[in-house]
Order: sequence, then C-alpha cells, then structure tokens
Amino acid sequence: DVQLVESGGGLVLPGGSLKLSCAASGFTFSNYNMNWVRQAPGKGLEWISHISGNSVPKFYADSVKGRFTVSRDNRRNSLFLEMTSLRVEDTAVYYCARGRGTFNFDNWGQGVLVTVSS
Amino acid sequence: QTVVTQDPSFSVSPGGTVTLTCGLTSGPVSASHYPSWYQQTPGQAPRPLIYNTDSRSSGVPDRFSGSILGNKAALTITGAQAEDEADYYCMLYVASAIWAFGGGTKLTV
Repeated sequence: DVQLVESGGGLVLPGGSLKLSCAASGFTFSNYNMNWVRQAPGKGLEWISHISGNSVPKFYADSVKGRFTVSRDNRRNSLFLEMTSLRVEDTAVYYCARGRGTFNFDNWGQGVLVTVSS
Repeated sequence: QTVVTQDPSFSVSPGGTVTLTCGLTSGPVSASHYPSWYQQTPGQAPRPLIYNTDSRSSGVPDRFSGSILGNKAALTITGAQAEDEADYYCMLYVASAIWAFGGGTKLTV
C-alpha cells in the first residue's frame, strides 16, 4: 500500500525556520512527482510546491517563493520542505501528495501542523 | 491573478443528485486545465475523487462523475448518501507550473 507520512511540524517564532519531511513507502518513489499542499485552520487547500522525480524542475507558489525550498532524497524515499522566514500566515497543516503524472494528486499523507506564533 | 471559484455551500437530500461547479475568473474552464476533485471530511486528509476532468480515482464509487458543463468543471453526485457530506475541492492547472485549488464547497446531505 502507498504510504506518505509527514513529520517535523511544530511551533516556531515568526522569522524562524523549520524543515518538514515526508517518508514514502509502497511505491517506487523516484518514478513520481511530489507536491506540498497546505491548509490554514478553517480554510481551503493551497498548492505550494512541486518537484519532479529526478528533482528537476521544481516549482513554487508565489506565496512561498524565495522562502521555501523543496527537495527529495530518492535513496531514502523522502521528500523535504525547508521553510525559512516563516510568517504567522504560514500557520497550516502541511500535506505531501504524490503526483500521478502532472495533474493528479493521487495519494496524500495525513498532514503535519506548523504553527507560527510569538 | 487567476482565481478558482466554487460555491461556498450546497445542500442535497439523501438519494438526490447534486452538481458542484468550478470556475475561473480569467475565463472558461476546459479539459486543458486538467480538472481534479478532492473530498475532505473533518480532521482527514483530502481524498482524490476525479482527475483529468472525468476519470475516477481508484475505489471511488460510480455515483461520482466529472465533466465540463458550459464554462466550468463539474462534479456530479448521483444518489447522494449521508457519507458524502464533506468539503469538496476542485484543482486546476491554471498556468505553466501553477496548480490552484478552489475555495471548496461544503456539501450538506
């Protein structure tokens, strides 16, 4: 079975940094694009980042461009999201989602909560 | 900036049929936006329902169907059940390397 498990969330001060991880299992990780999607409390879904199977190319939403960096380690079946210069409005549950092709997010993790607050 | 639009809420009686729609502020939605739909219940991760306009994801009951209706993407639930009460999100590929979700529709059954 496909499994995606996020970790690394928590409470961070505005301006701080945090690195999220997504451990993948049950499929050939390197064959798939991966995405990060977030959901602020009580709000809708927001796509924030995409990385292809071989790590090139990478794409970002304008809201996180220049502050967040996506990466992956295909040997460890892991996806990462390095978040810097965090803002209160970055508070959200962060999901990793597998991309089946470019346009279908076909498997999602359970999400991890990031809270940015003083 | 292009925004993906959805009705905030909808209501359907058990056994009834409901169509949720997904539009774009910049113009009509077409198959080249590769519409997909996701269902989310409280406290859970989104569940994929439909991709590439009208293809059902694995394990999704055939009462869920996708289409393009007029200028919008559409998700139709035929014979709604109580367990279909959830938030529904559409996602469109709105530009090169830009994926965007609608604000979601809260469906009450």
